[in-house]
Amino acid sequence: QVQLVQSGAEVKKPGAAVKVSCKASGYTFTSHYMHWVRQAPGQGLEWMGIINPSGGSTSYAQKFQGRITMTRDTSTSTVYMDLSTLRSDDTAVYYCTRDGAQLIAAAGYYFDFWGQGTLVTVSS
Amino acid sequence: QSALTQPASVSGSPGQSITISCTGTSSDVGGYNYVSWYQQHPGKAPKLMIYDVSNRPSGVSNRFSGSKSGNTASLTISGLQAEDEADYSCSSYTSSSTHVVFGGGTKVTVL
Repeated sequence: QVQLVQSGAEVKKPGAAVKVSCKASGYTFTSHYMHWVRQAPGQGLEWMGIINPSGGSTSYAQKFQGRITMTRDTSTSTVYMDLSTLRSDDTAVYYCTRDGAQLIAAAGYYFDFWGQGTLVTVSS
Repeated sequence: QSALTQPASVSGSPGQSITISCTGTSSDVGGYNYVSWYQQHPGKAPKLMIYDVSNRPSGVSNRFSGSKSGNTASLTISGLQAEDEADYSCSSYTSSSTHVVFGGGTKVTVL
């Protein structure tokens, strides 16, 4: 069965950086794009970016350009999301989520499996 | 403020049908058939309920259906059950640099 297991909760100070990992299992890692989506407390979902686990190419939401980096390690079937220069409004649950379309057909921009979420708290 | 507009709450009695709307623009909902819907219970990760406007993933009850007209997509839940009480969010591909936009979520209450 498909599983996405994320790293644990983080507490960071303003200006710091955080790196969240997401280990995939139960399917061919390179066959589906992976996205990152976050949800601030009591707020809606917000798309952050997409990575191609096969070639490593990425595309980020304009809002996060310059602060976000997504990478992958095919040897461990893990994707990573780095967010730098953290602010208090970056406090949120961060999810990795698998794109539902087969990578060979291009991204479908819908999310069929989700990680359990990683709470990142930014506070001085 | 979310890019897609959803009602904050919708309620219904067990057995009834309810519809949740999701209004965007011609740059997102109206321009592409890449609308999806997610169910989220408190403290849990979202669950895919509908993709590509009206397709149901395997394992999702056929009580859930999706449609689209112009710039507005809709999720209908028929035969409402207590377990359907949750937050529902819509999503769409967008031609903007954001690529994906979400609605603010709709809280469904089963009376």
